[in-house]
Amino acid sequence: DAKTTQPTSMDCAEGRAANLPCNHSTISGNEYVYWYRQIHSQGPQYIIHGLKNNETNEMASLIITEDRKSSTLILPHATLRDTAVYYCIVRVAYSGNTPLVFGKGTRLSVIA
Amino acid sequence: NAGVTQTPKFQVLKTGQSMTLQCAQDMNHEYMSWYRQDPGMGLRLIHYSVGAGITDQGEVPNGYNVSRSTTEDFPLRLLSAAPSQTSVYFCASSYSSPKAEAFFGQGTRLTVV
Repeated sequence: DAKTTQPTSMDCAEGRAANLPCNHSTISGNEYVYWYRQIHSQGPQYIIHGLKNNETNEMASLIITEDRKSSTLILPHATLRDTAVYYCIVRVAYSGNTPLVFGKGTRLSVIA
Repeated sequence: NAGVTQTPKFQVLKTGQSMTLQCAQDMNHEYMSWYRQDPGMGLRLIHYSVGAGITDQGEVPNGYNVSRSTTEDFPLRLLSAAPSQTSVYFCASSYSSPKAEAFFGQGTRLTVV
């Protein structure tokens, strides 16, 4: 079962920051937070992951609360191409052989 | 470097027929997996493999078989297709590291009539 809770859908104006929340209140100390997105019916695409520190890459920023019970994915300047379903996933950190378990995600609609 | 390649992209089967969905990756990834996605739903894990010769069941394995004879290939076999197996199937691969990003294929859209 997915260990995360996300809103079903969100809207964001084009050019504005999109902030996607994720609740993972039962996260363990050895679990990473991953974000993937799925554009239309394509295969999911990796965005970013983190353990306890905030992370940033060319696509997004990941803000993890100090107690690690929630996180926020930030797309700093959303474009129409960012319209997608965004999945927040927790996964144990000590083994790379643990499968990714997807929930239903958040459907982000970027509006012109 | 093609990444993860799935074939075919579309397939229509009659109930009771068998077929194999192909998945190949050229990144020398140890870890490969198969998911299905039904309309409006997230991805559900069918089977996965942590290396050649090693496979394990996921959340929804019934009706599907897998084998991993090489690092590159991870075929998914439908033994006797049923309408409930109508879905989009995604294959993924990654290095066996908790920090590794997974790469997904573009999917196979299967309809069983």
